[in-house]
Amino acid sequence: AQSVTQLDSQVPVFEEAPVELRCNYSSSVSVYLFWYVQYPNQGLQLLLKYLSGSTLVKGINGFEAEFNKSQTSFHLRKPSVHISDTAEYFCAVSEPTVTGGFKTIFGAGTRLFVKA
Amino acid sequence: DTAVSQTPKYLVTQMGNDKSIKCEQNLGHDTMYWYKQDSKKFLKIMFSYNNKELIINETVPNRFSPKSPDKAHLNLHINSLELGDSAVYFCASSQTSGSSYNEQFFGPGTRLTVL
Repeated sequence: AQSVTQLDSQVPVFEEAPVELRCNYSSSVSVYLFWYVQYPNQGLQLLLKYLSGSTLVKGINGFEAEFNKSQTSFHLRKPSVHISDTAEYFCAVSEPTVTGGFKTIFGAGTRLFVKA
Repeated sequence: DTAVSQTPKYLVTQMGNDKSIKCEQNLGHDTMYWYKQDSKKFLKIMFSYNNKELIINETVPNRFSPKSPDKAHLNLHINSLELGDSAVYFCASSQTSGSSYNEQFFGPGTRLTVL
């Protein structure tokens, strides 16, 4: 069965410090992996995605993530965070279905709180 | 131009009432979704339509009925509203046919409060 686990519900960090938001998934087939960000009172927007190829993917706002197939992980990192990065971050897994569509499962979210 | 729009943005109503939320996308996508986000930010898929056909219908009460008049619109009608229906409802869209993956574009959300 497909599932996504975000290991930390909240991550407080000081401005300009590095951060890692952890995501593990389980799936019986090859999957596509995404990180979405939700700023307060807004919808989700795509931060980055892994489809195939290089396991290190770069996204918007200086974020990057590394796909590790053996550990079934897709952790999100940023070397130096800003106050404006305070938001909810969602890891998502998408796999094709037999009907030709996709099924996407979201993790429970990690609240990143950047302190001055 | 707004890619995925929802109306209304806020909806406050009494228990037992019937209400609708509308969603429109101008991205030309063939698939649309409704998600429910609870107070703990947990995001759960409710329905998905591909070219006006229902393809995902998670364990949602029958009081919730999606309607897709065309592939650019997906509305959500809720009958006999209950306190537990209070949440933020997000509409999203994606292009499935001809795509090798499923990047979804989200609307701004509708905050439903049932009193």
